Amino acid sequence: SSELTQDPAVSVALGHTVWITCQGDTLRRYYANWYQQKPGQAPVLVIYGKNNRPSGIPDRFSGSNSGNTASLTITGAQAEDEADYYCNSRDSSDNHPWVFGGGTKLTVL
Amino acid sequence: EVKLVESGGGLVQPGGSLRLSCAASGFTFSSYEMNWVRQAPGKGLEWVSCITSSGKTIYYADSVKGRFTISRDNAKNSLYLQINSLRVEDTAVYYCARADLAYYFDFWGQGTLLTVSS
Repeated sequence: SSELTQDPAVSVALGHTVWITCQGDTLRRYYANWYQQKPGQAPVLVIYGKNNRPSGIPDRFSGSNSGNTASLTITGAQAEDEADYYCNSRDSSDNHPWVFGGGTKLTVL
Repeated sequence: EVKLVESGGGLVQPGGSLRLSCAASGFTFSSYEMNWVRQAPGKGLEWVSCITSSGKTIYYADSVKGRFTISRDNAKNSLYLQINSLRVEDTAVYYCARADLAYYFDFWGQGTLLTVSS
């Protein structure tokens, strides 16, 4: 099965822009999706496909993809954005249709 | 409103068995691929298993293959995960998640905690 690699932790000053990245060969074929998870809660989809936001997700969240790397950008990070962020995509290997990254803990300073 | 509600978790001894359930509402359940994703305490998300809308195609993660069985009852709008030969490392919150267009998980349940311990 494929792997998706994320930095374990990232920090950003309040109101500044932060990029969270995800790398993996399967991203050359499939877009990455991004999920936000706060302590004790289920994951929430924040970006899917090329760069789509579900209803209710603030427009400060955006996504991009290039080669084997996908990025989640939070423009003007807010205190409530402090959370764990996971990327995932379809897996291009046989018999393992899905893969998740290891997650990035975002701290807003 | 789309809702996914898991149940069936609890404390089980190693080697035991358990069946998790996920009750779906607010959408046409029979039209969607469904998945189980788990999260061990303090760890990341791990995809466990998926089943296509008809139930005809099923996949498992290598870590659970041969011990876990996913199934669905489209008449009852329900998803199941039968877990046998439980191991301590199966301790996790188990989430059911809907796959929209088969490319992303758009809705998740609140999860059910399975603890495997003697």
